[in-house]
Amino acid sequence: GNSVTQMEGPVTLSEEAFLTINCTYTATGYPSLFWYVQYPGEGLQLLLKATKADDKGSNKGFEATYRKETTSFHLEKGSVQVSDSAVYFCALKVKAAGNKLTFGGGTRVLVKP
Amino acid sequence: EPEVTQTPSHQVTQMGQEVILRCVPISNHLYFYWYRQILGQKVEFLVSFYNNEISEKSEIFDDQFSVERPDGSNFTLKIRSTKLEDSAMYFCASEVSQVADQPQHFGDGTRLSIL
Repeated sequence: GNSVTQMEGPVTLSEEAFLTINCTYTATGYPSLFWYVQYPGEGLQLLLKATKADDKGSNKGFEATYRKETTSFHLEKGSVQVSDSAVYFCALKVKAAGNKLTFGGGTRVLVKP
Repeated sequence: EPEVTQTPSHQVTQMGQEVILRCVPISNHLYFYWYRQILGQKVEFLVSFYNNEISEKSEIFDDQFSVERPDGSNFTLKIRSTKLEDSAMYFCASEVSQVADQPQHFGDGTRLSIL
């Protein structure tokens, strides 16, 4: 079956620090990969996506590259802000598997001023 | 930007009672989903819905659960006789098509508390 593993949090950083959240996956078929973010008290928002190997998704200073050879989709940001404090979810979907999203466990990130 | 809306934001219900969670997907979207997140656990798929039929359901989605699109805008999840373990955040999502690069758009969720 499909599964996503991401690093456990919480991750605590100072403002302007570099953020990496690791995500690896196993999938039957060719997955599309996503990062969703959940700010306190809100729902899941799409942060970025990549649909084929070597694609790089980017948004709001965050980036992630689809690495088929290592089955990874690590999220990075060069300089975090307090407003980046949230829970980040890595997810995949495979059209042949009904297109449902399979999520990782989420990583809570806390950025301190 | 269009968004998925869910009501209520928080529902408190006695065990054994029926509960209906409501969602208004984005208007031109054709595929609809329910997910849930028990506190401290992963977001889990419950059911997908297309063309007025269930496309797929997980093993969580047993006979106590049902979904309906009663009109052109609402998409509902009904739990017929709630159990304590149904306490969770329930998310509705919609998708314009199932082309690979199309994301699912989520609502803010309904927190269901069973007493």
